[in-house]
Amino acid sequence: QVQLQESGPGLVKPSETLSLTCAVSGYSITSGYSWAWIRQPPGKGLEWIGSIYHSGSTYHNPSLKSRVTMSVDTSKNQFSLRLTSVTAADTAVYYCARHPTVNPSFDLWGQGTLVTVSS
Amino acid sequence: QSALTQPPSASGSPGQSVTISCTGTSSDVGGYNFVTWYQQHPGKAPKLMIYEVSERPSGVPDRFSGSKSGNTASLTVSGLQAEDEADYYCSSYAGSNNYVFGTGTKVTVL
Repeated sequence: QVQLQESGPGLVKPSETLSLTCAVSGYSITSGYSWAWIRQPPGKGLEWIGSIYHSGSTYHNPSLKSRVTMSVDTSKNQFSLRLTSVTAADTAVYYCARHPTVNPSFDLWGQGTLVTVSS
Repeated sequence: QSALTQPPSASGSPGQSVTISCTGTSSDVGGYNFVTWYQQHPGKAPKLMIYEVSERPSGVPDRFSGSKSGNTASLTVSGLQAEDEADYYCSSYAGSNNYVFGTGTKVTVL
């Protein structure tokens, strides 16, 4: 059974960098799927942050400009998100998800982790 | 890219049907058959219910169906059950490897 689990600091100071990791179990991260990050501010809707494809290419929401970096660590079977220069507007539950690109969707999600940006 | 537009709420009695709309543009919903729908219960992660406009993943009841006409996609839940009460989000491929979500609809089972 494939499972995804997010981890990282629950509190980040304004202007600093948010770093999260998504551990994948039950499936090799190199076996063909792409992976994604999605967030949800408290009481609000979902926002696609970006995806890292099996090829290694990364794509992110244009609204986040160049603040997003994503990577894969095959030795640990996990992938990561870095979001720089955070503000209170980045406070959200962050989800990692499996992202089939043949049938584009987010078909398997982690439980989510709340990240609060506050001094 | 702007969020897709969904009605804030929808409701129906048990056994009835409810349909949720998802309106975008020709650059997203209207331009690709890559509309997906997600169900989210309070405090839980979203769950994929429909992909490629009308396809159901394994395990999703056939009470859930999707369709699209022009720039508007729709999700219909037939034979409403108490456990269908949740928030529903649409999403669409928006070109250039980008994705956009809808504003979300809260479905209430009366």
